[in-house]
Amino acid sequence: SQQGEEDPQALSIQEGENATMNCSYKTSINNLQWYRQNSGRGLVHLILIRSNEREKHSGRLRVTLDTSKKSSSLLITASRAADTASYFCARGYNFNKFYFGSGTKLNVKP
Amino acid sequence: EAGVAQSPRYKIIEKRQSVAFWCNPISGHATLYWYQQILGQGPKLLIQFQNNGVVDDSQLPKDRFSAERLKGVDSTLKIQPAKLEDSAVYLCASSDTGSAFDEQFFGPGTRLTVL
Repeated sequence: SQQGEEDPQALSIQEGENATMNCSYKTSINNLQWYRQNSGRGLVHLILIRSNEREKHSGRLRVTLDTSKKSSSLLITASRAADTASYFCARGYNFNKFYFGSGTKLNVKP
Repeated sequence: EAGVAQSPRYKIIEKRQSVAFWCNPISGHATLYWYQQILGQGPKLLIQFQNNGVVDDSQLPKDRFSAERLKGVDSTLKIQPAKLEDSAVYLCASSDTGSAFDEQFFGPGTRLTVL
């Protein structure tokens, strides 16, 4: 797409394993946000990383940002069945614009 | 704190009919967004309001879609006439100031099926 890609499109792992999903972008961003969407709770904000940050943590989530490669990764450690959802990155541009990617569908098998 | 409210939750119409969706954002949030999410895809921004002014409507198909946010609070999105390809979930979101650094809070969405 014009704004970048997310990969993989789908990921299936066992409970307890780690899950990594990636987000690329094409033009300079102000920040990048990760959201989760499942049928129970809709779209929910997980974490924001600013363009001058390289890594952020929130509980079992770890986000990295590599501006030289124009990419970000979301790592979920010790996954649980409840982490089954689609994960989207939203690229923030020009201080007030967002573009969501097509997401990664994560399935965590119990 | 009450979340973003949307109604209806589901709507089935025939092509060429009209439909309207309603959204009430979180109290005090200046910015309101309408997104279209087609099955298997990410949300696509249709229109962004800052209070009752439009910030971005570059991806809104203006020949058939319209939106308003009177008094800078709740908002309606209308499709007239609907096409088959409009079948999607329409999501409303709000944020405090509209900065790209703000978290967006999403409503449950309205699932539209056009037959």
